[in-house]
Amino acid sequence: DAKTTQPTSMDCAEGRAANLPCNHSTISGNEYVYWYRQIHSQGPQYIIHGLKNNETNEMASLIITEDRKSSTLILPHATLRDTAVYYCIVRPTDSWGKFQFGAGTQVVVTP
Amino acid sequence: ETGVTQTPRHLVMGMTNKKSLKCEQHLGHNAMYWYKQSAKKPLELMFVYNFKEQTENNSVPSRFSPECPNSSHLFLHLHTLQPEDSALYLCASSRRPPSGPPSGTDTQYFGPGTRLTVL
Repeated sequence: DAKTTQPTSMDCAEGRAANLPCNHSTISGNEYVYWYRQIHSQGPQYIIHGLKNNETNEMASLIITEDRKSSTLILPHATLRDTAVYYCIVRPTDSWGKFQFGAGTQVVVTP
Repeated sequence: ETGVTQTPRHLVMGMTNKKSLKCEQHLGHNAMYWYKQSAKKPLELMFVYNFKEQTENNSVPSRFSPECPNSSHLFLHLHTLQPEDSALYLCASSRRPPSGPPSGTDTQYFGPGTRLTVL
């Protein structure tokens, strides 16, 4: 069963910030939120992950609500190369290798 | 080369052929994975290797046979495949500590995939 809910698709203007929402209302206290993206027919690319605190790296920022039931991935300045399917994954801590990918959000960045 | 590489990138084979997919990671990781991604479906985990030992097989048919000779290389041997096995096959790797419980932070890094077509 999917543990996350994401919109099916989103459009974003080039140069603007892209805010990708994810609901994970059944998340457990020690489960991480991971984000990957997959450009058409390529392997998924790791973006960022977090537990409770907001996180930022060179690719994106991850904002996790205080109750941890939802999060938002922010691409600060979207480019055409950011067009991809973005996956939000809740990572269980009780086993290895259990990245359960859902359908993700198809993000299209337009000029 | 850096990261995770996969060869070949594209493969077309008949149902009676035997072929192998190769994955190599240059990240110093000790766990490797095979995933399958069929058209319009989510990624499905197939096999997991931890320190060269297979730790997970998600009910994959025996016509798929994995091999992990060392922590840097992973193979997927294919024989007597069916057209429905046509898919993108992805390899991934991660770093796990040698002992202790899972922590949920072993980030997986993926290769570019092999696009397999079975005729």
